[in-house]
Amino acid sequence: GQNIDQPTEMTATEGAIVQINCTYQTSGFNGLFWYQQHAGEAPTFLSYNVLDGLEEKGRFSSFLSRSKGYSYLLLKELQMKDSASYLCAVVYYQAGTALIFGKGTTLSVSS
Amino acid sequence: DSGVTQTPKHLITATGQRVTLRCSPRSGDLSVYWYQQSLDQGLQFLIQYYNGEERAKGNILERFSAQQFPDLHSELNLSSLELGDSALYFCASSEDSTPRDNDFGPGTRLLVL
Repeated sequence: GQNIDQPTEMTATEGAIVQINCTYQTSGFNGLFWYQQHAGEAPTFLSYNVLDGLEEKGRFSSFLSRSKGYSYLLLKELQMKDSASYLCAVVYYQAGTALIFGKGTTLSVSS
Repeated sequence: DSGVTQTPKHLITATGQRVTLRCSPRSGDLSVYWYQQSLDQGLQFLIQYYNGEERAKGNILERFSAQQFPDLHSELNLSSLELGDSALYFCASSEDSTPRDNDFGPGTRLLVL
């Protein structure tokens, strides 16, 4: 199967920077997504990486290294509302064109 | 508002029963994806339809089936329900056969008693 690993939980304080890592199996890789999900709500799109490098979008950035099977989501100037689950998801050729999700990282931001 | 709609929002039923969940994709989107999210399993891909045809299949049980109609809305049928089927069921849609621009609906919360 396509294992996608990310830490289960992370904590940080308001105003800080946090990096959430994701590792995945490289065979058949066809793109990587990051989503934010608040409890009981639908995932919302944060970023999409298909080429190596850093994509910056406001307070959020996402990095991809295809050769290492590694991505991270960087959240800057943390706010309380950033407390949520962050999901790493990969598109694999073998899985057709659907997303395979990691189990998510629950981020708790405290004041 | 993503434009993807799902009905019903909540559903409570009993073991052994059958239910149908409905999804309408964003206007212009041809693909519909179904996902199941339970506390212990996380978000699991079930099945994808593209322009009426099954495109990809994930961890979908034989008791579950889906279809996409000519107007592109989709239905997920869950039968012989078990307690473990209690979960959030999300539908997502995308413009073409890839999920690059996909967006999720609000989900249907299913509780099997």
